Amino acid sequence: QVQLQQWGAGLLKPSETLSLTCAEYGGSFSDYYWSWIRQPPGKGLEWIGEINHSGSTTYNPSLKSRVTISIDTSKNQFSLKLSSVTAADTAVYYCARAVRGISIYFYYSYMDVWGKGTTVSVSS
Amino acid sequence: SSELTQDPAVSVALGQTVRITCQGDSLRNYFPTWYQQKPGQAPILVIYGKNTRPSGIPDRFSGSSSGNTASLTITGAQAEDEADYYCSSRDSSGHHLGVFGTGTKVTVL
Repeated sequence: QVQLQQWGAGLLKPSETLSLTCAEYGGSFSDYYWSWIRQPPGKGLEWIGEINHSGSTTYNPSLKSRVTISIDTSKNQFSLKLSSVTAADTAVYYCARAVRGISIYFYYSYMDVWGKGTTVSVSS
Repeated sequence: SSELTQDPAVSVALGQTVRITCQGDSLRNYFPTWYQQKPGQAPILVIYGKNTRPSGIPDRFSGSSSGNTASLTITGAQAEDEADYYCSSRDSSGHHLGVFGTGTKVTVL
């Protein structure tokens, strides 16, 4: 069964860089997109961005200037860096495996495997 | 538009049927995806594609979509279905950016 295990620093000070890593176990790393999602306390889900096995990335425009997603296919791992964090970046951060494709005239996209989440707090 | 709009909350009596809706322009080109999230847990996938349930998701969950509106229906709601539900898609800008709905809290009475 495919699992995602994520880790990284949970307490940051303003202006520091958030750094999280997610490792995939038990699946085929090259066939999917690898995503990061966050959820501020008491709020909804926000898509941060994704990367494929070739290293092609797509980012949420609202975070694009501060986000870098990278991949290490030799370790089946992908990582998130978010620079210049503020209190507004306090959230639970999830990694997820995404499937994308097209069927007849409709596109489809879904995240079928999720990490357990990492709580990141930004406070001085 | 990159927005997906959901009703904030709905309630359903135990064993009855509830429908959750999601509206957004991107749904004209993308199948909607639905996630269930319980407090303190990661979201789980409940419906994807035209109306496909992952293994382990009960058949009381079903999905449909027409135009810019998608629906998730729970037929015979159980106490364990009480959760937040999020629709998801990609935006309609052509850049295929991920987008989540605003979320619906389902309460089973």
